[in-house]
Amino acid sequence: DAGVIQSPRHEVTEMGQEVTLRCKPISGHNSLFWYRQTMMRGLELLIYFNNNVPIDDSGMPEDRFSAKMPNASFSTLKIQPSEPRDSAVYFCASRGNGVSDTDTQYFGPGTRLTVL
Amino acid sequence: GESVGLHLPTLSVQEGDNSIINCAYSNSASDYFIWYKQESGKGPQFIIDIRSNMDKRQGQRVTVLLNKTVKHLSLQIAATQPGDSAVYFCAVLTYKYIFGTGTRLKVLA
Repeated sequence: DAGVIQSPRHEVTEMGQEVTLRCKPISGHNSLFWYRQTMMRGLELLIYFNNNVPIDDSGMPEDRFSAKMPNASFSTLKIQPSEPRDSAVYFCASRGNGVSDTDTQYFGPGTRLTVL
Repeated sequence: GESVGLHLPTLSVQEGDNSIINCAYSNSASDYFIWYKQESGKGPQFIIDIRSNMDKRQGQRVTVLLNKTVKHLSLQIAATQPGDSAVYFCAVLTYKYIFGTGTRLKVLA
């Protein structure tokens, strides 16, 4: 399995621009998580989906952030408009629904976002 | 509120020695615990996990100990190698995952 796939790996944009981050979870996993990581705040859960349905979006910073999961193999995290304080590494993780690894999350390589 | 903390932000260990990384959690209802390793420029990588009905679990060169009485979790790495240099996170699952801030392990040659 290729693991969790994220794109782009790096994104540099200017303040005010729209940013879209993409994630492909591990095939067969039914839960998907978006995290943000910064030096100051560590890993923060933004939102998670179960069976493509958003379950908990209490970590989404504000209305500028939105996430979708149109099908089991794809999710996007969108920031519009972006601001310099959004600069961080954004991780996507997925979790299986099998008997042996129900609770283990597997992380993607992350997208490093820089907003100038 | 929910919190997960680590006792040391940085741990320096001589190559070949054993490493112990600690984590404290606050919610006694937590029932699943994970240790992740994160190398520079990469995502967190699963190392080992343990459920609350256990107090010890061993993997290859790694052991996780869980003390539910004092809400403490530790990761032991035997015969630490240069490739073990990374940031280590504990994660605690109650109704959602809470991650610790991380301990940076430096392996000295």
